[in-house]
Amino acid sequence: QKEVEQDPGPLSVPEGAIVSLNCTYSNSAFQYFMWYRQYSRKGPELLMYTYSSGNKEDGRFTAQVDKSSKYISLFIRDSQPSDSATYLCAMSHTGGFKTIFGAGTRLFVKA
Amino acid sequence: DTAVSQTPKYLVTQMGNDKSIKCEQNLGHDTMYWYKQDSKKFLKIMFSYNNKELIINETVPNRFSPKSPDKAHLNLHINSLELGDSAVYFCASSQDTGGLQDSPLHFGNGTRLTVT
Repeated sequence: QKEVEQDPGPLSVPEGAIVSLNCTYSNSAFQYFMWYRQYSRKGPELLMYTYSSGNKEDGRFTAQVDKSSKYISLFIRDSQPSDSATYLCAMSHTGGFKTIFGAGTRLFVKA
Repeated sequence: DTAVSQTPKYLVTQMGNDKSIKCEQNLGHDTMYWYKQDSKKFLKIMFSYNNKELIINETVPNRFSPKSPDKAHLNLHINSLELGDSAVYFCASSQDTGGLQDSPLHFGNGTRLTVT
């Protein structure tokens, strides 16, 4: 079993839809939870960063962490074609070092 | 004013050759990394370099050797390239805060290596 599981998709939604992206993990020592967005031929860019459990909101994006279920989510409201990218969840127990990534979910938002 | 920059962007070479990829960061971070992303987009850490301390992922073949002339630069040298080395290699950096505060990774735009 991989430490971090993420459905690779692809996920295709119409513009304006609410998108839900999820990851599960097995290592209960993880404390830092991140979502990265990666456009084609670009490096991953940090989208959301949370420590421990709870919710964090930033504009149209909401990250949720449920440590009891070992489950994290990213919600995108009012999705736009510019949101089309691969979304990678990532987590670690020591910050930057030894960050473990999910496989990434490829998202397509159709105009 | 790119934060993490890598060169070259593309690298096409033949099996058996030796090649290097360069990385520079201007964020003032003290930890740098090399990641490998395969065709399925899976990112795997190869090396971490913090204040001249190298931490190696044991699954990485010893044909790969990182070199850090200073804390703003981390280069990757690959000897005797093989077909399976074809991938996108990402450099990243973070600030080592002893794990007490957020220290997410900042990535470069990658070097697409093709071995023929």
